[in-house]
Formats: sequence, C-alpha cells, structure tokens
Amino acid sequence: KQEVTQIPAALSVPEGENLVLNCSFTDSAIYNLQWFRQDPGKGLTSLLLIQSSQREQTSGRLNASLDKSSGRSTLYIAASQPGDSATYLCAAIPTGANSKLTFGKGITLSVRP
Amino acid sequence: DVKVTQSSRYLVKRTGEKVFLECVQDMDHENMFWYRQDPGLGLRLIYFSYDVKMKEKGDIPEGYSVSREKKERFSLILESASTNQTSMYLCAGGRPFKYGYTFGSGTRLTVV
Repeated sequence: KQEVTQIPAALSVPEGENLVLNCSFTDSAIYNLQWFRQDPGKGLTSLLLIQSSQREQTSGRLNASLDKSSGRSTLYIAASQPGDSATYLCAAIPTGANSKLTFGKGITLSVRP
Repeated sequence: DVKVTQSSRYLVKRTGEKVFLECVQDMDHENMFWYRQDPGLGLRLIYFSYDVKMKEKGDIPEGYSVSREKKERFSLILESASTNQTSMYLCAGGRPFKYGYTFGSGTRLTVV
C-alpha cells in the first residue's frame, strides 16, 4: 500500500527565503505526482502536476521535481512571501485504470513578514 | 481548466437527518472522489467512482453512500447523520494521467 510522507509538519520562515518542501512515497510505481495548496477552511488548489515522463515542472516562483527511483518529490518556492502561507500537500497518482490519490498529511508553511 | 462545484459551503443538519452533498464537474472526466478532512487525520477517502453507476469504497465508507447517475454529478449521502460526521467534505474530479485532479471548494458540515 502506498504511503506518502511529508516532513516536517510545519515550517516557519522569514519573507524572501527560498525554501524546499519534501514529499516521499514508498511505492515507485506511480504515474504522476501532484502538488496542492490549501488555505484555512478552503478546498485544495492544484499547483503543479508532474507526469511520469517529466522530471520537473515550473509555474512562476514554484518548481516541483520528481525522482521515482528514490521515491521523492520536492516543491521549491523562490523568494517566499507572506501570501505563500498555507498548507502544501503532495499526492501520488498510481498507474492503473482506477487511479486513486494517496495524500501526504501536508506541510503548514508560515512566511513571516 | 476543469471546474468542480460543491453545492454548499456550509451546512448544519440535525442528528438522524438524511443529508445529500452534491458535486458537479464541468468536464467529461471519469474519476470522481469524496474525501473528508479532519484535523490531525488528513484527507481520508470515503468513496470514489470511475464511471457512471460505478463506485468503489474508500477507507471510511461506513455511514455513507454515493450516487452517480450522470457523469458530471457525484453525490455523497449520509443516511442518518451523526455528530461524528461533522467534518469538511471535499469532492474531486479529474483525468489523472493528463490533467491530474481538481478539487471543489469544500462543504463544512456540522451535525448537531
């Protein structure tokens, strides 16, 4: 059974810092990996989808990488801002017809002004 | 972009009521999910559906049922609401290999 781990559970950084959020998964037979952001009391917003044929994806100040052989993905946030404060979740999408997401528990990021 | 709409942001229901949570997606996506989210427990899968009239139990299906009569609509039913079903409910839809998944804005259900 796939397990997805995100450590640490919470992170506090000063504004302007570059940071890396880690995601590890136990079963490398994944097809895609997706990163989400969740603001308090809200739904999940998709940030980046990394398909298995890709090693990384970029959107603005965000860059996500995927290394299936080591069972790791990282989300890099450049020049962090207070508006980046949120919970970030990664989800592994397995191969197979009925592709259920397996989520990590998320990293709650606080960016201090 | 795919849009997933949940019909209610907040709901308050009484114990024993039958509750319907509705979710609609605007693309022709096969896969749809219902999750609940509780502090410290993360996202837990209740049910998912990979086609019309097809459904599969997730990790915590007890006390819930689902209906998918049309591809765009996936309904979660609480047969007899209980206080331990007070939670945030999240619906998702998608075509995982090409687009990934899109979530709705969530329904905060309180059972009193």
